[in-house]
Amino acid sequence: QQPVQSPQAVILREGEDAVINCSSSKALYSVHWYRQKHGEAPIFLMILLKGGEQKGHDKISASFNEKKQQSSLYLTASQLSYSGTYFCGTADSGTYKYIFGTGTRLKVLA
Amino acid sequence: DVKVTQSSRYLVKRTGEKVFLECVQDMDHENMFWYRQDPGLGLRLIYFSYDVKMKEKGDIPEGYSVSREKKERFSLILESASTNQTSMYLCASSDGGGNQPQHFGDGTRLSIL
Repeated sequence: QQPVQSPQAVILREGEDAVINCSSSKALYSVHWYRQKHGEAPIFLMILLKGGEQKGHDKISASFNEKKQQSSLYLTASQLSYSGTYFCGTADSGTYKYIFGTGTRLKVLA
Repeated sequence: DVKVTQSSRYLVKRTGEKVFLECVQDMDHENMFWYRQDPGLGLRLIYFSYDVKMKEKGDIPEGYSVSREKKERFSLILESASTNQTSMYLCASSDGGGNQPQHFGDGTRLSIL
């Protein structure tokens, strides 16, 4: 079952904050976050492994809730370079199958 | 850096044709994946492979097959192309288990007329 992301799309002005959610109907083994700029390949941002974990770098961070069924990506003081489509990704526990969420399109305006 | 190369950026084919999409990675990764990307649907897994000659169906395998004869190469085959297979196709590779990130090619935008 593909994780569901919300919102589907968001428009921000530079300096504003955004939160992107990734929800699953079952516990996730781990969560990865990726960003894809228009016309480019998705690029890996970070991984969360443990329930309750939070991590980040620069002004982009993420959390993984205790039940490991939801992860959120936080973009603080957004910059024009943050524009793109964000995906969460996860592997089925015990298999090599890897699936992605439905995606969130984010556009930052000057 | 990992390099994943897809053979074509843009491809136009006709309904009923047999279509081959090729993907090569240069980092000796165990796992390779094919996804299609459509607006509002995100990235959907078509097939994946965790070893040479091994393949498993993803979530949307109908109308597709794959081949992995060598570790570095993973081919996606559209047996008889149809217009509903017009899409962006992305190949990815990863090493080891599910905690390893995916490395993507630039994608092939396939149009079936």
